[in-house]
Amino acid sequence: GAGVSQSPSNKVTEKGKDVELRCDPISGHTALYWYRQSLGQGLEFLIYFQGNSAPDKSGLPSDRFSAERTGGSVSTLTIQRTQQEDSAVYLCASSFQGTSTYEQYFGPGTRLTVT
Amino acid sequence: QQQVKQSPQSLIVQKGGISIINCAYENTAFDYFPWYQQFPGKGPALLIAIRPDVSEKKEGRFTISFNKSAKQFSLHIMDSQPGDSATYFCAASIKKSSGSARQLTFGSGTQLTVLP
Repeated sequence: GAGVSQSPSNKVTEKGKDVELRCDPISGHTALYWYRQSLGQGLEFLIYFQGNSAPDKSGLPSDRFSAERTGGSVSTLTIQRTQQEDSAVYLCASSFQGTSTYEQYFGPGTRLTVT
Repeated sequence: QQQVKQSPQSLIVQKGGISIINCAYENTAFDYFPWYQQFPGKGPALLIAIRPDVSEKKEGRFTISFNKSAKQFSLHIMDSQPGDSATYFCAASIKKSSGSARQLTFGSGTQLTVLP
């Protein structure tokens, strides 16, 4: 079946503009995660959604970052008033919260460049 | 506070050699330790994972060794091949207090190059 998809694959924006990044998780997966990967760095957790529970926003670096998940499926990560330090690859992952299944399946990411 | 420390940052191995990547963690509440493999332009993909109730897990050429008392775990790639050249991330997972979702804390990554 289809994996996690993200769009756009690349986004170049000017400093101060808002951007929206989209994630389509694997059908049936109840948990959705956003991570940020800066050049040469590991993955930094941003936010996750689990079913109908309130999202865990503990990893969001500032109030310029927000995310929503509509209908328990597609998610959008919004960055307002982008800054150059926001340049990174934004990765989305989804997982099925079974009794023993912990694997998170990652999308290919959106490479964001803020000029 | 970095909770998972990974080393080395980069590793060059000859074809057929053994690649070893090490990770150490601090939070004893972690109860699932996966390794991810990432090729350029792709998202990370799960390679192999272990739970702390076992000391070793082997899948093909890939082995995780786990030392609970030392809070360390490592990935060994036997008979390394050029196709193994990628970035490897260790991670540690903890069950969130709400619901059953899990948060992954990643190491900083190791760029492996296997020379032909």
